[in-house]
Amino acid sequence: GAGVSQSPSNKVTEKGKDVELRCDPISGHTALYWYRQSLGQGLEFLIYFQGNSAPDKSGLPSDRFSAERTGGSVSTLTIQRTQQEDSAVYLCASSLGTSAGEQYFGPGTRLTVT
Amino acid sequence: AQRVTQPEKLLSVFKGAPVELKCNYSYSGSPELFWYVQYSRQRLQLLLRHISRESIKGFTADLNKGETSFHLKKPFAQEEDSAMYYCALRPMNRDDKIIFGKGTRLHILP
Repeated sequence: GAGVSQSPSNKVTEKGKDVELRCDPISGHTALYWYRQSLGQGLEFLIYFQGNSAPDKSGLPSDRFSAERTGGSVSTLTIQRTQQEDSAVYLCASSLGTSAGEQYFGPGTRLTVT
Repeated sequence: AQRVTQPEKLLSVFKGAPVELKCNYSYSGSPELFWYVQYSRQRLQLLLRHISRESIKGFTADLNKGETSFHLKKPFAQEEDSAMYYCALRPMNRDDKIIFGKGTRLHILP
């Protein structure tokens, strides 16, 4: 079956612009996670959803970052007024539930802020 | 606080030599531990989980509750093992998220 998909695969934007990143989880997976991966920083947790609710937003770096999930499926991560330090690969993962251990990762969106 | 520590950012090992990627965790209960791997230009994927007690691609990891460690080992490194490895912990509380370490880049030297 289809795995986790993310779009766009690459995004180059100018500093100050807003961007939206999309994640399509595996069908039936109720838990969805966003991570940021940058050189030297490893995997940084941003936010996760159980269904449509986000019990833990503690990883969002600033109020410029927000995420939503509707219909228990697709999620979008929005970054407003992008800064150069936002440049990274943004990964999405899904799992059957937060109690189901294995996460399935998408290919990521490489964001470059110029 | 729940935490996963991978002390080495980079580990270089000669082909054929043994490999050990270190992972220590901090958690008051009984967690589930995992190793994830990301090969060049591929997705991050599950390598193994402690409850399975299996060997994947020659790698094994034993959960040591006394030392709160879950080190990943392989007796003879192969060039295709070069990748980024992440240790992860899932708390037993079903509402808590999985916690990842910062990762270790394994570089196998020819």
